[in-house]
Amino acid sequence: ETGVTQSPTHLIKTRGQQVTLRCSSQSGHNTVSWYQQALGQGPQFIFQYYREEENGRGNFPPRFSGLQFPNYSSELNVNALELDDSALYLCASSWGGGQGAFFGQGTRLTVV
Amino acid sequence: AQKITQTQPGMFVQEKEAVTLDCTYDTSDPSYGLFWYKQPSSGEMIFLIYQGSYDQQNATEGRYSLNFQKARKSANLVISASQLGDSAMYFCAMREGVQGGSEKLVFGKGTKLTVNP
Repeated sequence: ETGVTQSPTHLIKTRGQQVTLRCSSQSGHNTVSWYQQALGQGPQFIFQYYREEENGRGNFPPRFSGLQFPNYSSELNVNALELDDSALYLCASSWGGGQGAFFGQGTRLTVV
Repeated sequence: AQKITQTQPGMFVQEKEAVTLDCTYDTSDPSYGLFWYKQPSSGEMIFLIYQGSYDQQNATEGRYSLNFQKARKSANLVISASQLGDSAMYFCAMREGVQGGSEKLVFGKGTKLTVNP
């Protein structure tokens, strides 16, 4: 067990709605990253937060946004949901040393 | 350009035998890190092993070893003495540079490993 927890584990939303996914980082980790994993694909980097500031973003539109809180927990917000947003969303935390990130169990989002 | 290539969509191995999962990468950054993760059907990505670009020796973690061939830009995962519980998806990933605590990982498409009894 990595100590990284995500909630909820499963979620069904309607196209056009907004969703918030949550992540609790492993103790001592100051960096959190979010990934989207479509079915049958590898995870794709969405963005990363380091000490509450975004310090890297992948090729995702602005309707994907995030927050990191002083306790290093994090949220991923997605507005105006589209059917293609259906995926497993993974949160990963690390201490920023570059030697690896530890992932949560993911949130499986289905947009109908 | 694709940065991580895993050419084996699926692999089969008999229990107790060794298996090698292939990974090649592409980067112009002299400083990078290579990772292998295991993803069972439950979805969680489980960290297995890490190799830094400047590490002189191949990384090992228990039954996992990373065959790092820098000139060929390959980072193959070797699992010795396969167990039924090793059946899962395996992803190779790369981190480029270490700017400002960046932990951005680029993943391959994965290899599905099936261990047969």
